[in-house]
Amino acid sequence: KQEVTQIPAALSVPEGENLVLNCSFTDSAIYNLQWFRQDPGKGLTSLLLIQSSQREQTSGRLNASLDKSSGRSTLYIAASQPGDSATYLCAAISTGANNLFFGTGTRLTVIP
Amino acid sequence: NAGVMQNPRHLVRRRGQEARLRCSPVKGHSHVYWYRQLPEEGLKFMVYLQKENIIDESGMPKERFSAEFPKEGPSILRIQQVVRGDSAAYFCASSLMAAPNTGELFFGEGSRLTVL
Repeated sequence: KQEVTQIPAALSVPEGENLVLNCSFTDSAIYNLQWFRQDPGKGLTSLLLIQSSQREQTSGRLNASLDKSSGRSTLYIAASQPGDSATYLCAAISTGANNLFFGTGTRLTVIP
Repeated sequence: NAGVMQNPRHLVRRRGQEARLRCSPVKGHSHVYWYRQLPEEGLKFMVYLQKENIIDESGMPKERFSAEFPKEGPSILRIQQVVRGDSAAYFCASSLMAAPNTGELFFGEGSRLTVL
């Protein structure tokens, strides 16, 4: 069974700093990995999807990488802004599975 | 260009009542997933449905919970005889392609159930 872990649980950084959020998964036979953003009391917004054949994906100031052999993914946020404050969730779908397995998230606070 | 629509956004029920949560997927998507998020916990898979079929309900509690996705209309998650432990946010997601080759999942805003 896939298990997804996100460390740290919470992170505070000053505005403008670059940062990296970490995600690890136990089953390297993943089909794809998706990063989401969740604002308090809101739903999930998809940020980036990395398919198993890909090493990274980029969207604006966000870059997500995937290393299946080590069971790790990172989300890099460049030049952080207060509007980036949210909980970031990593989720993996294993090959042959029907559902995403979610980590518990990293709560990011960007201090103006 | 509506995304996944869930209603109600907030629902309050007393113990023993029934809760019905509705989900309309992205237009053109015929694959629906329900997830539950308990306070301070991650999202947990409950059930995966295609039109008129339950494909995987391995995450669904064996009693009191049921789900459907009829040929016409939204998907419904039904919780009978609710208990306080059912208080959670229930999220619906949809995809264009069938699992496991599901591609990107799109999530709704969630329905927050509070059981008094």
